[in-house]
Amino acid sequence: SQKIEQNSEALNIQEGKTATLTCNYTNYSPAYLQWYRQDPGRGPVFLLLIRENEKEKRKERLKVTFDTTLKQSLFHITASQPADSATYLCALSENNFNKFYFGSGTKLNVKP
Amino acid sequence: EAGVVQSPRYKIIEKKQPVAFWCNPISGHNTLYWYRQNLGQGPELLIRYENEEAVDDSQLPKDRFSAERLKGVDSTLKIQPAELGDSAVYLCASSSGQGEYGYTFGSGTRLTVV
Repeated sequence: SQKIEQNSEALNIQEGKTATLTCNYTNYSPAYLQWYRQDPGRGPVFLLLIRENEKEKRKERLKVTFDTTLKQSLFHITASQPADSATYLCALSENNFNKFYFGSGTKLNVKP
Repeated sequence: EAGVVQSPRYKIIEKKQPVAFWCNPISGHNTLYWYRQNLGQGPELLIRYENEEAVDDSQLPKDRFSAERLKGVDSTLKIQPAELGDSAVYLCASSSGQGEYGYTFGSGTRLTVV
């Protein structure tokens, strides 16, 4: 069956450190992968999109990697801040931008 | 820009009652989505519209759920009758079709069926 797996346990890190979140998938052949941030009581907010032919993408303190051999994407936040505390969702699409399947998210807690 | 606007923010109803959710997408976004998000889970697609046409409703439980997007702008999602298992957050999102900008989600409607 198809699965998108994100660590269900919260990730707790100290302010200033790099947070690394993982998204693994099974029985998908994604052409695109997105990362979203979701705060309690709010809808997800789009952060980054990476294509299957891109190994890495950066935006300010964010970096996303996409390894189609390992069937995995890593999401990094460098110099993390307490304001980065939220749940981060990955979403993938196999063929176009119009049908993305979401993982269940990983909660990040950045402690001052 | 107001973003994607949804109403109501919260709704509590008794089982077997009808309920409706409303969404106003980003101006100019032709694609509109309704997602359902259960606690601790990611959003799951219910239906996708391109303008006023429902192009993907394969995950919509059609026995009790219906949706419309008249004039290709606002959309309404209805449940009739509601069941206890329908308790969730219902999210509306819109996109321009340009993947680099992702989807813009509303804040959702939290439905509790008692």
